[in-house]
Amino acid sequence: KNQVEQSPQSLIILEGKNCTLQCNYTVSPFSNLRWYKQDTGRGPVSLTIMTFSENTKSNGRYTATLDADTKQSSLHITASQLSDSASYICVVRDSNYQLIWGAGTKLIIKP
Amino acid sequence: GAGVSQTPSNKVTEKGKYVELRCDPISGHTALYWYRQSLGQGPEFLIYFQGTGAADDSGLPNDRFFAVRPEGSVSTLKIQRTERGDSAVYLCASSDDYAREQFFGPGTRLTVL
Repeated sequence: KNQVEQSPQSLIILEGKNCTLQCNYTVSPFSNLRWYKQDTGRGPVSLTIMTFSENTKSNGRYTATLDADTKQSSLHITASQLSDSASYICVVRDSNYQLIWGAGTKLIIKP
Repeated sequence: GAGVSQTPSNKVTEKGKYVELRCDPISGHTALYWYRQSLGQGPEFLIYFQGTGAADDSGLPNDRFFAVRPEGSVSTLKIQRTERGDSAVYLCASSDDYAREQFFGPGTRLTVL
């Protein structure tokens, strides 16, 4: 069964610190993987998208990595800011263009 | 408009009532999607429109749920005989074609008492 698992479920860090969120998937065949940021009360907003051949992609302080062999992705946030507090959702698209959504990691940045 | 808009932002109703949720997609986007999101979960796919037609409605949980997009732009999600379990945030997204990046609206929070 195609699944996307994210860890941790929630994370609290101090402002200015770095953190890494994990995404493991069993989707096959794989088309692409996207990380979304969802602020409270808002819809998800895309941060990065990676295809099979891409290992890393950055968007400002956000860096996503992809290991297609182990079916793992991570989202690294550098020098966290209070505005980074949100849920981060990993989404995998299979070759039939279906989206399989993770449950998200809730990140809280404390001053 | 600049983005996807949804109305109302909040809807409180009583069990057994009928509700309609509206989505205005980004102008020119042919693909429109409805999702349902429960607290602490990722969005759950409900239905996808390409133009005016429902190309995939496999995510609709039962026949109490129905959606329309009569002119290929605005869409309405309709829920009959609401149940407490229908309480969730209903998200709408649009894209300029299927499999392209989806842009989400802020959602409608539905509470069924």
